[in-house]
Amino acid sequence: KAGVTQTPRYLIKTRGQQVTLSCSPISGHRSVSWYQQTPGQGLQFLFEYFSETQRNKGNFPGRFSGRQFSNSRSEMNVSTLELGDSALYLCASSLEGVTTDTQYFGPGTRLTVL
Amino acid sequence: QKEVEQDPGPLSVPEGAIVSLNCTYSNSAFQYFMWYRQYSRKGPELLMYTYSSGNKEDGRFTAQVDKSSKYISLFIRDSQPSDSATYLCAMSLMDTGRRALTFGSGTRLQVQP
Repeated sequence: KAGVTQTPRYLIKTRGQQVTLSCSPISGHRSVSWYQQTPGQGLQFLFEYFSETQRNKGNFPGRFSGRQFSNSRSEMNVSTLELGDSALYLCASSLEGVTTDTQYFGPGTRLTVL
Repeated sequence: QKEVEQDPGPLSVPEGAIVSLNCTYSNSAFQYFMWYRQYSRKGPELLMYTYSSGNKEDGRFTAQVDKSSKYISLFIRDSQPSDSATYLCAMSLMDTGRRALTFGSGTRLQVQP
C-alpha cells in the first residue's frame, strides 16, 4: 500500500506570494492533518480535515487555510507569505482520525520563503 | 513556557547502550502519549503509544508514563546505529484523540558503532 505522498517536495517563494501544498493520504484514510515543523518551534498542529470538513484547528493566523476533496486528498494554502513561514510542512493521514488510529506522516514539503 | 518540554540533545551513546529519552508536560488534560521517530528528510513514524500511567513494552522499546509527575520516557535497549534519529514525544487531549498532537521539540540521538 502506498504511503502518504506530498507534492511538491521542495518549494521556494518570495515574501508576499501565496503557495498551495498538496497531500494524498493512504488509500482508505479519511482524516488528514497538517503540521508545520521549524527548528525553533518544532512540530505544530495546523488543522485536521475529515470528510471535507475542518474538524480541528491549531493556533495559526488566517493566512493558513486548507481544504479536503471528496477523494480525501487535501491541500493547504498560505497567503501573503512571510519569512517565518519557511518550514517543513507535514501532512498525516489516518483511517477515521479517532483515538485508536495511527497517524501516518508523509515526507513533507520544504518551503523556503526569500 | 512550552506545554511539552524535551531536551534537544544531541545524545551520543555507544552501540548496545540503553538509551533514556524524556519529556515533561504542563497540561494535565493530556491523556494520550506517543513517541515518534524521525529520520533525516523523512516524516515522523509512530513508535509507541499509551493511554495510561505505567510501562508498555514493544521489542527493544519501553514507554513509561507518570501522569502524577507529568513525565514520560522512552527507553531503547541494545541500541543500534540504525536507531540514530530524532525522537519526538507527542501527546493529545481526550476530545481530539490523536488528530491534534502537541509535540516536544525532539531529541537527536546518535548511536556510535
